Amino acid sequence: ETGVTQTPRHLVMGMTNKKSLKCEQHLGHNAMYWYKQSAKKPLELMFVYNFKEQTENNSVPSRFSPECPNSSHLFLHLHTLQPEDSALYLCASRSDRAATNYGYTFGSGTRLTVV
Amino acid sequence: GESVGLHLPTLSVQEGDNSIINCAYSNSASDYFIWYKQESGKGPQFIIDIRSNMDKRQGQRVTVLLNKTVKHLSLQIAATQPGDSAVYFCAELDWDYKLSFGAGTTVTVRA
Repeated sequence: ETGVTQTPRHLVMGMTNKKSLKCEQHLGHNAMYWYKQSAKKPLELMFVYNFKEQTENNSVPSRFSPECPNSSHLFLHLHTLQPEDSALYLCASRSDRAATNYGYTFGSGTRLTVV
Repeated sequence: GESVGLHLPTLSVQEGDNSIINCAYSNSASDYFIWYKQESGKGPQFIIDIRSNMDKRQGQRVTVLLNKTVKHLSLQIAATQPGDSAVYFCAELDWDYKLSFGAGTTVTVRA
């Protein structure tokens, strides 16, 4: 375990469903990120939160809605997704105080399949 | 646009041989680079990093080389082991501490 926990690990949902992905870290990190990882493509940054405030929305469609209720939890709410949204969704957190790697720690991801 | 990318999508290497994974970047102002390893079913894990004021950095069995003249960095893995089989990504940290990733190289170690 890396200290960043994502649930569920796998999710299959229909295009009309609403579901949520959860990310949790108790590392004391102050920044949290959602990345999308599609097959044969680079990881794409979706959202950034610093101290619970959203500081970046990287042109993500509104069918993805992030929520950060506190500095330890991050959610990604999903509704009316498309099959091309099927991917691995990775959460990461970061500490300003880390000596290396600028403190990035990734979770294991949620494998999402939209049918 | 400016991006970080890798030269080859796959690399097959004999166990015990050295591996070299390459990455090209286009942003000459880039200051900090990281190599990540991603095993099946896991998220990216930090391997080694390097700042732009260095041209080489060594870790345990890994070495990162940075050539700023041609905007190229590489990851060398010595005595490759089966546990080294994974996807390797280079990443670039921007001024706002966001990471931009290359597409990845899948390394397969042959016994």
